[in-house]
Amino acid sequence: KAGVTQTPRYLIKTRGQQVTLSCSPISGHRSVSWYQQTPGQGLQFLFEYFSETQRNKGNFPGRFSGRQFSNSRSEMNVSTLELGDSALYLCASSPGTGIAEQYFGPGTRLTVT
Amino acid sequence: QKEVEQDPGPLSVPEGAIVSLNCTYSNSAFQYFMWYRQYSRKGPELLMYTYSSGNKEDGRFTAQVDKSSKYISLFIRDSQPSDSATYLCAMSQWGSQGNLIFGKGTKLSVKP
Repeated sequence: KAGVTQTPRYLIKTRGQQVTLSCSPISGHRSVSWYQQTPGQGLQFLFEYFSETQRNKGNFPGRFSGRQFSNSRSEMNVSTLELGDSALYLCASSPGTGIAEQYFGPGTRLTVT
Repeated sequence: QKEVEQDPGPLSVPEGAIVSLNCTYSNSAFQYFMWYRQYSRKGPELLMYTYSSGNKEDGRFTAQVDKSSKYISLFIRDSQPSDSATYLCAMSQWGSQGNLIFGKGTKLSVKP
């Protein structure tokens, strides 16, 4: 089975711009979670989607949003980028339905200048 | 107090040593416990998953959960240089399985 894939792998944006990141989960997995990883804060939960519905949300500002499509693929969007948004953005998939194990993709490294 | 505490290390051991990695947590509602390994510039890789208390063994890896002490451990036997990575503990609670709370990670170096 193919693993979780994320595109693009690297991205450089300017402050004030917006960005969209994409995630394709493992085939058959219906839950997708997004995390932000920085050296200072570590891995922090952004949100989780299951069957196209946001099921959980972390403590991030409204500039961070996401969605999930009927094929379980997910996108996250960050608007009005700030320098502090520079991070590794990780997507993880899970079969869902009460299963806690998550399988991570390689991440998208976003640099905001 | 952070929900999950993990000593960041770094931890340096000789090849063949037994490695002990630990996390403590404050939320008694946590029921699902995981250990991930992350190599530099890669995504975390799931190593071990445990539900509630108890031990689980998989090859050279053993995970232990002590819910009464709010303490989890990962043991690596016969450590290899290829085990050099950052090890992250993660946990979640019923109803929020998709929201993993992570420790900051322990950086491990296994010297040949």
